[in-house]
Amino acid sequence: DQQVKQNSPSLSVQEGRISILNCDYTNSMFDYFLWYKKYPAEGPTFLISISSIKDKNEDGRFTVFLNKSAKHLSLHIVPSQPGDSAVYFCAARFGGTYKYIFGTGTRLKVLA
Amino acid sequence: EAGVVQSPRYKIIEKKQPVAFWCNPISGHNTLYWYRQNLGQGPELLIRYENEEAVDDSQLPKDRFSAERLKGVDSTLKIQPAELGDSAVYLCASSLDGRTEFFGPGTRLTVL
Repeated sequence: DQQVKQNSPSLSVQEGRISILNCDYTNSMFDYFLWYKKYPAEGPTFLISISSIKDKNEDGRFTVFLNKSAKHLSLHIVPSQPGDSAVYFCAARFGGTYKYIFGTGTRLKVLA
Repeated sequence: EAGVVQSPRYKIIEKKQPVAFWCNPISGHNTLYWYRQNLGQGPELLIRYENEEAVDDSQLPKDRFSAERLKGVDSTLKIQPAELGDSAVYLCASSLDGRTEFFGPGTRLTVL
């Protein structure tokens, strides 16, 4: 049973426009969420995180929104750049633990 | 500051052969994770260490997989014997605070 789902395997966006990546989860025990970016032949790199007590966190061009009632989070990238082309994973942490569950990833392609 | 180091980066073996992967976490990070990432999937936790103690190995196939983290620093993950289905990328990650994991580049294993 996939507890963290990224239902869009791929997304293409024009340079300069907004990219919106979505993630849904099923377990209300998750208390912390992260987004990772992964380039080919490299390990995932931490991008941005959000605690379950917040509904928004912003870092430069990256904003993560959390809707706890819908068990949904999203990553907004504005403006999108060709260097943002990568696979993006969301991950959720079980409350009070160091255990993370990862989604299956969304491949973002930013077109120049 | 050096990141998480993994070796080898690539390994090709025949089925039924043994294989070992090595990881050196970021200095001072007490928590170390081993993940397996299959093609098109997100990382799945195999084992987590707090210092030298394995605190979560529920996902580790113990009939053929073993891991150790002597002295609570670097770690080795072993598969013996390897099976065709073990072909994947094996990722090591470390964390200082349990909130953010820093990943190594991974070892891509191909079992023929």
